[in-house]
Amino acid sequence: NAGVMQNPRHLVRRRGQEARLRCSPMKGHSHVYWYRQLPEEGLKFMVYLQKENIIDESGMPKERFSAEFPKEGPSILRIQQVVRGDSAAYFCASSPYDSRRSPLHFGNGTRLTVT
Amino acid sequence: DAKTTQPPSMDCAEGRAANLPCNHSTISGNEYVYWYRQIHSQGPQYIIHGLKNNETNEMASLIITEDRKSSTLILPHATLRDTAVYYCIVRADQAGTALIFGKGTTLSVSS
Repeated sequence: NAGVMQNPRHLVRRRGQEARLRCSPMKGHSHVYWYRQLPEEGLKFMVYLQKENIIDESGMPKERFSAEFPKEGPSILRIQQVVRGDSAAYFCASSPYDSRRSPLHFGNGTRLTVT
Repeated sequence: DAKTTQPPSMDCAEGRAANLPCNHSTISGNEYVYWYRQIHSQGPQYIIHGLKNNETNEMASLIITEDRKSSTLILPHATLRDTAVYYCIVRADQAGTALIFGKGTTLSVSS
């Protein structure tokens, strides 16, 4: 049973370009969460999605960042016009339909470097 | 969600038990205690969770005090590979609530 898959593992973008990070949840999981970890800092919640719905985006920056989890395919975290401060590790986690007492399972992240 | 307090760092000798404390004095009745760890540059790894009873699995044991205001994660025989940042998190029993991570405890296991 494959775990949470994130790709790419490493992504390099120049300032002003777009970054697209993909997350395939574990089989049977319909809840996806995105977290960001800046260098030498803790994990910060960004957004929580279910299929085709954004449930909680309280941690998302107001501009340039968006997330989706379509009916088919992976969840996508999109960062437009990247800046150096976006350089971080971005982690995705998933949980089953009834997530109330189920642990979140994390992928190994995408490391974004903005040059 | 209730806040947690953990010591910033702890040391443990290889082969000995590592006991990681966590205070969550404002925990409410429907909040579970979760423990995760993050080994350098990897994604957080789920360890264990509980509500009020003590729990044990193949990785660790979780001891929750009767008043639920604190808990202890026990790694019975720590190895060098257990060196990581350990996070204690309380999470409401509501559909789809996210985990909110604090600073955690950096556990260093040495030979």
